[in-house]
Amino acid sequence: GQSLEQPSEVTAVEGAIVQINCTYQTSGFYGLSWYQQHDGGAPTFLSYNGLDGLEETGRFSSFLSRSDSYGYLLLQELQMKDSASYFCALPGNQGGKLIFGQGTELSVKP
Amino acid sequence: DVKVTQSSRYLVKRTGEKVFLECVQDMDHENMFWYRQDPGLGLRLIYFSYDVKMKEKGDIPEGYSVSREKKERFSLILESASTNQTSMYLCASSPPSEGNEKLFFGSGTQLSVL
Repeated sequence: GQSLEQPSEVTAVEGAIVQINCTYQTSGFYGLSWYQQHDGGAPTFLSYNGLDGLEETGRFSSFLSRSDSYGYLLLQELQMKDSASYFCALPGNQGGKLIFGQGTELSVKP
Repeated sequence: DVKVTQSSRYLVKRTGEKVFLECVQDMDHENMFWYRQDPGLGLRLIYFSYDVKMKEKGDIPEGYSVSREKKERFSLILESASTNQTSMYLCASSPPSEGNEKLFFGSGTQLSVL
């Protein structure tokens, strides 16, 4: 089967850097995705890692190590609007289907 | 921009009622999904569909069924609603699988079963 594990809560201050970790178990690997969800809103796609290494998109970066079954989302120059839940997700062995982690609630304090 | 529209934002139903949750997408996506979201449990896949009239069970299909008669519309049906089906229901769509799946979600339907 497939499963993902991520911390339930992370707190950081405005302007800081925060890292949200995700470890996974899967029989076949098709990449690791990250989604952001603000309270009451829809999840929105942030990034995808198909290969090892760092993918950067503005203030957000995502890292993957397939040998360690591990990835993380790095948020730099934190802003209050970054307070949200962040989910890592694995594409399933049937294309298009995503299995999500339980989500990490990020609180950004002034 | 892709738009995924769910018919209701909030819904209150009684135990035993048949409930229909509707979802429409406007980007001609082949894939459509129904997830439910509960605190501490993340998003769990109920059913998905790769094409019209095709459906596949997700991780928690019990108590649910789906219908996809048209490509743009994917309906979730609770045959006999129960209190443990009180949840946020999220519909999503995506283009054909390319290995870097990006799902587009609707705003969700918060269903309360009393």
